[in-house]
Amino acid sequence: GAVVSQHPSWVICKSGTSVKIECRSLDFQATTMFWYRQFPKQSLMLMATSNEGSKATYEQGVEKDKFLINHASLTLSTLTVTSAHPEDSSFYICSARKGSNQPQHFGDGTRLSIL
Amino acid sequence: AQKVTQAQTEISVVEKEDVTLDCVYETRDTTYYLFWYKQPPSGELVFLIRRNSFDEQNEISGRYSWNFQKSTSSFNFTITASQVVDSAVYFCALSEARGLTGGGNKLTFGTGTQLKVEL
Repeated sequence: GAVVSQHPSWVICKSGTSVKIECRSLDFQATTMFWYRQFPKQSLMLMATSNEGSKATYEQGVEKDKFLINHASLTLSTLTVTSAHPEDSSFYICSARKGSNQPQHFGDGTRLSIL
Repeated sequence: AQKVTQAQTEISVVEKEDVTLDCVYETRDTTYYLFWYKQPPSGELVFLIRRNSFDEQNEISGRYSWNFQKSTSSFNFTITASQVVDSAVYFCALSEARGLTGGGNKLTFGTGTQLKVEL
């Protein structure tokens, strides 16, 4: 159990486009989901923590108007990169947790390339 | 502030060799969790282990073993008889814990160790 699906796996789009990434917990209800960003050969940096039905908590330095997070249900969270620019190109990965005493399980990630 | 240090950027071994990946952490919390994740070339993160700060017993799972030393703030990971399929980036991570049962909130990751296992 504890399968997390992320879609799309990769996306290439033009500068100025908004891109939506979905994160779904397939076989469990996730009270909390997390969004990370990873640059090539670097570690994962937490962008925001998302609790179902409430506003996401963003890490310092992450623009909430740039990276819109919606966690409308216990199995789905979305990250929308608005008006994406080449510097937004990165590997975005989500994770989901069943409850406060459970480890995070990660999706397969989304490779975003902005031209 | 929490910090995780993985001093080994890259390790190369020959198949069947044993290899230990180091992890040193810093935290002011008395209750915390430590994790190891594997990230193969495909990109997904695979959960390997979670260890509570109160439990210093070493753990073995097949060819994998973990050595938690609270006195040195280390949580090292050993792969015995390494295989080519073990080639990946391995991340050590730390999370705060809320009370005695909290599973932690934010994960602080180390910079990862790239393990290459060659034939």
